[in-house]
Amino acid sequence: QVQLQESGPGLVKPSETLSLTCTVSGGSISSYYWSWIRQPAGKGLEWIGRVFSDGSTNYNPSLKSRVTMSVDTSKNQFSLKLSSVTAADTAVYYCARFTLIVVDAFDIWGHGTMVTVSA
Amino acid sequence: DIQMTQSPSSLSASVGDRVTITCRTSQSISNYLNWYQQKPGKAPNLLIYTASRLQTGVPSRFSGSGSGTDFTLTISSLQPEDFATYYCQQSYSTPDTFGQGTKLEVK
Repeated sequence: QVQLQESGPGLVKPSETLSLTCTVSGGSISSYYWSWIRQPAGKGLEWIGRVFSDGSTNYNPSLKSRVTMSVDTSKNQFSLKLSSVTAADTAVYYCARFTLIVVDAFDIWGHGTMVTVSA
Repeated sequence: DIQMTQSPSSLSASVGDRVTITCRTSQSISNYLNWYQQKPGKAPNLLIYTASRLQTGVPSRFSGSGSGTDFTLTISSLQPEDFATYYCQQSYSTPDTFGQGTKLEVK
């Protein structure tokens, strides 16, 4: 079955760029929306944005100025870049598949990766 | 953005109890409402999609209802593995938004 795995640095310095990759295995990246969602410790879930397999994107307006998402269909991967990070960006970052039509929900999630912003 | 309000924020219950969690949205979202279960240290897991459809593999003691702005998640008979945090989420319009969560604890 389809599985997602996040990868990237667990520690990022303030003002630098957070970069994460999600690898999709067991299925194709085509024809789905692929999202990033984050969760600060002890808090709720925040949708960061999504990228479709054709490269089109939607971002949360609260983060839009700092977010870039992309997809690499040849590697079955998609990526997140979040610039100018601060301590407020410290969180567990999840990648998730959003299945549009019929389900319209995040039906598959990665395990999550903890990212800490600290000098 | 569509605001999501879950109630209660926490709930104490016993094995075998019937439990209901409510989610209210700031505007009508038709039936574009999903429910997730999250256990400590784990990713959320989809339980119910489009308000009332049970995700494959989810036990039938979970059910969802509602449309418009008011939705409920019901667990008909709590099992030990159901103690977790539950989130609602709307997929009617971006940005997708989540409720603040309901923590279901052992009484």
